[in-house]
Amino acid sequence: DTGVSQDPRHKITKRGQNVTFRCDPISEHNRLYWYRQTLGQGPEFLTYFQNEAQLEKSRLLSDRFSAERPKGSFSTLEIQRTEQGDSAMYLCASSLYGQGNTEAFFGQGTRLTVV
Amino acid sequence: GENVEQHPSTLSVQEGDSAVIKCTYSDSASNYFPWYKQELGKRPQLIIDIRSNVGEKKDQRIAVTLNKTAKHFSLHITETQPEDSAVYFCASTPYGGSQGNLIFGKGTKLSVKP
Repeated sequence: DTGVSQDPRHKITKRGQNVTFRCDPISEHNRLYWYRQTLGQGPEFLTYFQNEAQLEKSRLLSDRFSAERPKGSFSTLEIQRTEQGDSAMYLCASSLYGQGNTEAFFGQGTRLTVV
Repeated sequence: GENVEQHPSTLSVQEGDSAVIKCTYSDSASNYFPWYKQELGKRPQLIIDIRSNVGEKKDQRIAVTLNKTAKHFSLHITETQPEDSAVYFCASTPYGGSQGNLIFGKGTKLSVKP
């Protein structure tokens, strides 16, 4: 386990299609975060989990966005009925919270292009 | 909610010079301030962080200072090298958040000319 991994690295989809991205955190990390990064901007916080519980989702961009972490390990981010404005890099990060807090480690991201 | 402003948006320095990037935050309860470096096409990576109970922290050529009263913090890079060229993001964690609940600035593109 060498870090946070995301799949796929790139996704091209047609407008109106649904897409799902996967994030595998560092194995011992209990917190997992999703961010969106558009060109020339800093990452924008979307949602996060502690184990399987989603503790914050008010920053999800619309009701077309949803995230799950059913077993407290990997997570998925789904975007329904994609729009061109959804084109961005979607970053996942993980950290250990509680005993021995760690920094947030980011994955390489999934670059989404909606055509 | 928390807002983080970062300046300048671009910075060009000669190799060996110092670089300073400044950020301000709005939530006085924010308690954690990391700096991330992002090279083109790569993931953001933490280079240094500071907590609200500390005024300054240094790690080799990199230092961060925090002024809680003024609600601003700065990144200082000394003896810059071409490999320091990247986009640097400051961030803060609003009170109650962990190291991953981050509000980022818009970034500073640093170019170090040989």
